Parts: sequence; C-alpha cells; structure tokens
Amino acid sequence: DSGVTQTPKHLITATGQRVTLRCSPRSGDLSVYWYQQSLDQGLQFLIQYYNGEERAKGNILERFSAQQFPDLHSELNLSSLELGDSALYFCASSTTRENIQYFGAGTRLSVL
Amino acid sequence: GNSVTQMEGPVTLSEEAFLTINCTYTATGYPSLFWYVQYPGEGLQLLLKATKADDKGSNKGFEATYRKETTSFHLEKGSVQVSDSAVYFCALSDDYKLSFGAGTTVTVRA
Repeated sequence: DSGVTQTPKHLITATGQRVTLRCSPRSGDLSVYWYQQSLDQGLQFLIQYYNGEERAKGNILERFSAQQFPDLHSELNLSSLELGDSALYFCASSTTRENIQYFGAGTRLSVL
Repeated sequence: GNSVTQMEGPVTLSEEAFLTINCTYTATGYPSLFWYVQYPGEGLQLLLKATKADDKGSNKGFEATYRKETTSFHLEKGSVQVSDSAVYFCALSDDYKLSFGAGTTVTVRA
C-alpha cells in the first residue's frame, strides 16, 4: 500500500458529461501529480500541485482542470468528456526531501 | 525534451530464467532514473531507483545500474518467478515530472 488513495476505482459515464476524480496523498506529502495512462499515449504527465499551488503543467487538455485543497487532497475535473478520454488516471504524491513519487491504484474512466 | 526508450514486449519466460529489459534515455543534465512495476489490476509501484551515474538500484532480486556513458538503465533479474509477471516501466525524473517508457509486459510461466 503506497499510502495514496484514489476514489472512485471505476467510473462509467457518457460523452459530454463531467466527472471528478479524487486523490488523497500520503501523510505529509505536499506535492500531488496527475497522470493519464492510455493504450495509445502510454503514461503522460498532466499536472502537478504543490501545497495548494499549481507547479507545472504537462499534456493536459483545456477541458481538464485540477486543484489542491488546504487539507492537501486533490481533485481532477474532466468535462465535455469524449470517447478518447477513456483511460486510467493516476495520482502520485511526493515529499520535497525525496525525489520519489508514490502512486495510487488509479481511477479507471470509461466514457461510453 | 527528456525521453525514455524501453525494450518492447511482450516478454515470456520460464521460471528461473534470466530477465533483462533494456532502457535508454535522452535528457539534459543528470536526471534520476527509476523502474516502476504494475501488477495486474494494480497501480504503479516503485521497484528501484538510482540518482547518479554508476549508482546501482536493487530490490526484490532486481538490479539496474545508471550508465551515463551509454545513457542506459537496464533492468535485470537472475531468476524470475511467476509472481514477477507484470508490466515494467522505466522512467526518468526532471524537476517536477516523471517521463515514462512505453512499458514492457513480462509473463513468467511455471
């Protein structure tokens, strides 16, 4: 168990809808990262938050947004969903001392 | 930008066979290098890491050495078990993100 908790484990929704994925980092970790894993793109970095502030952006679509709350949990919001958004979404967290990211079990999103 | 090229699978082995998965990287500076493993239906788990040239990471019988001269970080295990069946990802870290290879699916048969 990595200590990173993601909910829900599975999400099935329709095109055009909006969903929210939730991540609770390991106790004490200030950084949260979001990644998307799809068959055609592999594992892609989406965005990083550090202590509530956006730190870095990767290949994140404008339809997607994220935030990190004062209790350090993070949410990834996906809107106007398309079939191609179907993927496994991972959250990871890390400390500032240690350059290691610990991953949650992921949320599998299916857009029908 | 930084990138990782990983040996394509799938790889199928018999128990107790020797496993090697090749990984090479392109990066500016001196990134940290990692191997992550993803067991069926699970998330990514850190297998081992190396932070500078000539460092050897090791865990659960797996080893990888950070080779700056060949920009490589090949994963090896001397005697695999059925329980090693998984997808293995090579990754490098720059300031804020991990860049992953495509992953190599390894199946070990009894």
